[in-house]
Amino acid sequence: GAGVSQSPSNKVTEKGKDVELRCDPISGHTALYWYRQSLGQGLEFLIYFQGNSAPDKSGLPSDRFSAERTGGSVSTLTIQRTQQEDSAVYLCASSLYGANTEAFFGQGTRLTVV
Amino acid sequence: DAKTTQPPSMDCAEGRAANLPCNHSTISGNEYVYWYRQIHSQGPQYIIHGLKNNETNEMASLIITEDRKSSTLILPHATLRDTAVYYCIVIFGGTSYGKLTFGQGTILTVHP
Repeated sequence: GAGVSQSPSNKVTEKGKDVELRCDPISGHTALYWYRQSLGQGLEFLIYFQGNSAPDKSGLPSDRFSAERTGGSVSTLTIQRTQQEDSAVYLCASSLYGANTEAFFGQGTRLTVV
Repeated sequence: DAKTTQPPSMDCAEGRAANLPCNHSTISGNEYVYWYRQIHSQGPQYIIHGLKNNETNEMASLIITEDRKSSTLILPHATLRDTAVYYCIVIFGGTSYGKLTFGQGTILTVHP
């Protein structure tokens, strides 16, 4: 597709379960970002991948959160042992290079932990 | 990247120009001013960016002061669909691969 694709669009999970969120960036984009947005709150940076460089994980809130990007393309954000406070919209974005090129966002995955 | 300061909220009447200010007094010579917006329930959307010259595209105009310490995003004829959170971000240009982070932005409400 032409844009950033995220799946699933909605996910309801039970507290304590693990979840995986997927992001398909725009083909050829070397930069990929994950953000979290809780209800009524701003965009919280989670992790940034740039080419073959080590990812910037400085925004991950705990060691329950991890992400990988395989083959420089698709990325998966994994949350282990989910908690109710993990409920939020998780947004993925990609850009051709880094922050100095236009970032394109997916529609997000709405995660609800019950 | 330089810090930016934006008013938390603004109002604008439909059909009027919306002028959104941003202060970036510590901006350096290699840093660009970028604007994004986030309409409710959607991912952010790029609007425009500039270095020192004024810029215009189909969405908006960006006016950067001569000393580059502040800028204004102008939506010339605001519509109800322009109601959104607007983010002003200063980003190092050139070959930097810095990450993109967002502040609190300005909530623009366009009313009939």
